[in-house]
Amino acid sequence: DAKTTQPPSMDCAEGRAANLPCNHSTISGNEYVYWYRQIHSQGPQYIIHGLKNNETNEMASLIITEDRKSSTLILPHATLRDTAVYYCIVRVVEEAGSYQLTFGKGTKLSVIP
Amino acid sequence: SQTIHQWPATLVQPVGSPLSLECTVEGTSNPNLYWYRQAAGRGLQLLFYSVGIGQISSEVPQNLSASRPQDRQFILSSKKLLLSDSGFYLCAWSNSGTSGISYEQYFGPGTRLTVT
Repeated sequence: DAKTTQPPSMDCAEGRAANLPCNHSTISGNEYVYWYRQIHSQGPQYIIHGLKNNETNEMASLIITEDRKSSTLILPHATLRDTAVYYCIVRVVEEAGSYQLTFGKGTKLSVIP
Repeated sequence: SQTIHQWPATLVQPVGSPLSLECTVEGTSNPNLYWYRQAAGRGLQLLFYSVGIGQISSEVPQNLSASRPQDRQFILSSKKLLLSDSGFYLCAWSNSGTSGISYEQYFGPGTRLTVT
């Protein structure tokens, strides 16, 4: 799986949009971008994933650049409960036997009242 | 809806004692199942995965073992714990396509193991 680079930490004011960047300059054509988050002392939680097009669900939006070398996870209205470590992962999905999720160090997002 | 359970939530065990952690999934059939470990301040490490009953693949050599006696039950075991086995153990599941494609993974609440 391609390596990702994320800032170690970010702050965001409560109620504002949180924009979390991720660089994945070595991503290959069949690799998806996944985002998970881990709230302290809990298991990771799947947020969203995408291949080329921007994606939106009830939790967040994912913006992927046209060259696919970077992406941004957007939490439109951050709340205190969004304080967590956010992981950006790129992985091949459409391949039998692809089971590994490689979590890096992620970005620790602190939402400030 | 699907749910995943793990127990116990916390465990303190002496070095050399056995270990058994259990994970069960509800609301789905024939899931892929996974055991991860997260050491303090570090990322998640995949330990085992299973694509079916009795089918276990190990990702790293260690003194742990895994078993899948039923479709939605995954057990992590050790005969003799080491200090280095301390960590946060997470079970996860994912859907699997008929061609073996694996999709997003959903994690359980985890078991925090302290070996003393």
